[in-house]
Amino acid sequence: GAGVSQSPRYKVAKRGQDVALRCDPISGHVSLFWYQQALGQGPEFLTYFQNEAQLDKSGLPSDRFFAERPEGSVSTLKIQRTQQEDSAVYLCASSLEQGGYGYTFGSGTRLTVV
Amino acid sequence: SQKIEQNSEALNIQEGKTATLTCNYTNYSPAYLQWYRQDPGRGPVFLLLIRENEKEKRKERLKVTFDTTLKQSLFHITASQPADSATYLCALVPSYNQGGKLIFGQGTELSVKP
Repeated sequence: GAGVSQSPRYKVAKRGQDVALRCDPISGHVSLFWYQQALGQGPEFLTYFQNEAQLDKSGLPSDRFFAERPEGSVSTLKIQRTQQEDSAVYLCASSLEQGGYGYTFGSGTRLTVV
Repeated sequence: SQKIEQNSEALNIQEGKTATLTCNYTNYSPAYLQWYRQDPGRGPVFLLLIRENEKEKRKERLKVTFDTTLKQSLFHITASQPADSATYLCALVPSYNQGGKLIFGQGTELSVKP
C-alpha cells in the first residue's frame, strides 16, 4: 500500500484481557519498528525487525509484550494480561533499510485498558 | 544518563515569522538526527535528516543545523504559516551499529497565529 496501515485504530480492553495489534508496512520496507507513545510524550522504542528477524527487543516493558513478523511483512504486537499502565498509542513505522532514512509511521492504535 | 531534550513549553509565534525549535542531547554520539512533525491523532511524519558530518540541511522553508560540539540541533521554519502548527519531534540514532533505532525527544508544540 501507499502507507503504513495499523489496525484496529482504537481498542478498549478490560484489564487482564489479551490484545493483538496489527501493522502492515510499506511493501518492500525491510525495517519495521514498534513504538509506544504516552500522552504529551515522544514515542518510546519497543522493538525492531529487519525482515523477519527481531534484532532488538530491548524496549519491550515486560514479558507480557511480544512481537512477531513471521514472513517479513505484516507484524503483530501482542500484549497479554493487559494492565492500565499499558494504555497508550502504539505506533508502527517502516523504513527501506536500516539507518540513514526517514521512517514512515502509521496513525497508530490507541489502546485504553479499563 | 543519556537524554534528548526539547523545549517543553509550547512555542507561539506570529504568521510570517521564523520559528526556531531546539533539541539538546546528552551522552550520545549520534550517527544522525531526524526531525518529524506530528499532528493530533496521527503518527509522526518525517521532515529532514542530518548526518553527523553535516552542519546544515535545507528543504523548502525548513532548515536544520547540527552542532556535535554543543550537542544540539536547531530546526527553523521560515515564513511560518498557521498550517505549520503541530508538534515537532527530534530523534537521533544513537550509533551506526544500533540498527537505525530512533530515540525521540518529548516534542515541542508550535502554534502559528494569523
